[in-house]
Amino acid sequence: QVQLQQSGAELVKPGASVKLSCKASGYTFTSYYMYWVKQRPGQGLEWIGEINPSNGGTNFNEKFKSKATLTVDKSSSTAYMQLSSLTSEDSAVYYCTRSGLTGTWFAYWGQGTLVTVSA
Amino acid sequence: DIVMSQSPSSLAVSVGEKVTMSCKSSQSLLYSSNQKNYLAWYQQKPGQSPKLLIYWASTRESGVPDRFTGSGSGTDFTLTISSVKAEDLAVYYCQQYYSYPWTFGGGTKLEIK
Repeated sequence: QVQLQQSGAELVKPGASVKLSCKASGYTFTSYYMYWVKQRPGQGLEWIGEINPSNGGTNFNEKFKSKATLTVDKSSSTAYMQLSSLTSEDSAVYYCTRSGLTGTWFAYWGQGTLVTVSA
Repeated sequence: DIVMSQSPSSLAVSVGEKVTMSCKSSQSLLYSSNQKNYLAWYQQKPGQSPKLLIYWASTRESGVPDRFTGSGSGTDFTLTISSVKAEDLAVYYCQQYYSYPWTFGGGTKLEIK
């Protein structure tokens, strides 16, 4: 079965960077885009961006273009998202998610990684 | 960007009642070449990740109970729960995948009386 296992919670200082991971299993990693979604406490969902694991190609929500960097390691079927120049506005749960078979709906979700930005 | 608007923002119902919630998009999500609506619905229970319920506006994901029904076309969509159970306590989100950036509605919070 498809599983997305995300890394643990992070407490980071303002101005720092953090790198989150998402290890995929149960399917061919390079066959599906990986997406990242942000959810601030008590708030809704925002799509950050996506990466094609087969060639590393990315697409971003304009809002996050200078904030997030997406990469993959095909050898370990792991996707990464680095967030830079962190502020309190970046405190949120970040989800990795995989699309469905034939469309960009989010069929599978990781458990989420809580990032807290605090001095 | 396509703006997704959901209403109501919250509602409280009794177990066994029928519930309908609305999702409206700022432009049509109907793709003329295949006559498909590029809209999905998700359920997020407290403390959990979102779960896919519906895609193509009305196709139920495998394993989703048939009390959940998606309908609508173009810019107006509805999620109906035919007979609410206590376990349906959650926030429900719609999402368009018609064009970049993929966007979500603000959610409808379902509470059980």
